[in-house]
Amino acid sequence: DIQMTQSPSLLSASVGDRVTINCKASQNINKYLNWYQQKLGEAPKLLIYNTNNLQTGIPSRFSGSGSGTDYTLTISSLQPEDFGTYFCFQHNSWNTFGAGTKLELK
Amino acid sequence: EIQLQESGPGLVKPSQSLSLTCSVTGYTITSGYDWSWIRKFPGNKMEWMGYISNSGSTNYNPSLKIRISITRDTSKNQFFLQLNSVTTEDTATYYCARRHRRSGFDYWGQGVMVTVSS
Repeated sequence: DIQMTQSPSLLSASVGDRVTINCKASQNINKYLNWYQQKLGEAPKLLIYNTNNLQTGIPSRFSGSGSGTDYTLTISSLQPEDFGTYFCFQHNSWNTFGAGTKLELK
Repeated sequence: EIQLQESGPGLVKPSQSLSLTCSVTGYTITSGYDWSWIRKFPGNKMEWMGYISNSGSTNYNPSLKIRISITRDTSKNQFFLQLNSVTTEDTATYYCARRHRRSGFDYWGQGVMVTVSS
């Protein structure tokens, strides 16, 4: 199984900050890496698919990058509605998830 | 708008079967995509459980293969999860989701919490 190591687990930031969240795979996942946002009690929302493709309707302040085993989600200027939990997901080989990053207001 | 909604009992006794329903609106499950079940354990670890394809074929996580069954009712546009012989380790929030084979899960339900306890 491919293991996904996500960091940090907790991120405190302010509105307007640039934030990055990272995921490292235990082996090459060929850019089959997605990022999701989840708020308490809500369905997860797809933000980015296959490393750097912005899902329809997602603001352009969200972006993704990476290759091989290392991937990053960047929020260029944090907005109040961006606080919540983010997780990565690889679908190169079976399907495995990162443990999540809780993004909270500083 | 595509929506998925899980339903089912919130409490199941050990050794019994867990049965959940995912009702889909805004898209016909036979038109395309795979229809998946995913769970999130206390502590936030997530596990893909399996899917049923638009044609009705299934694929399961090998760790669950002897206990899991995913079926569907196309007349109601629903698909189902049955997990047999549950233990307390099956306590989790269960999600259904639509899966595109090239881009992963794009629509999810909001999840249903299931506790396994006597």
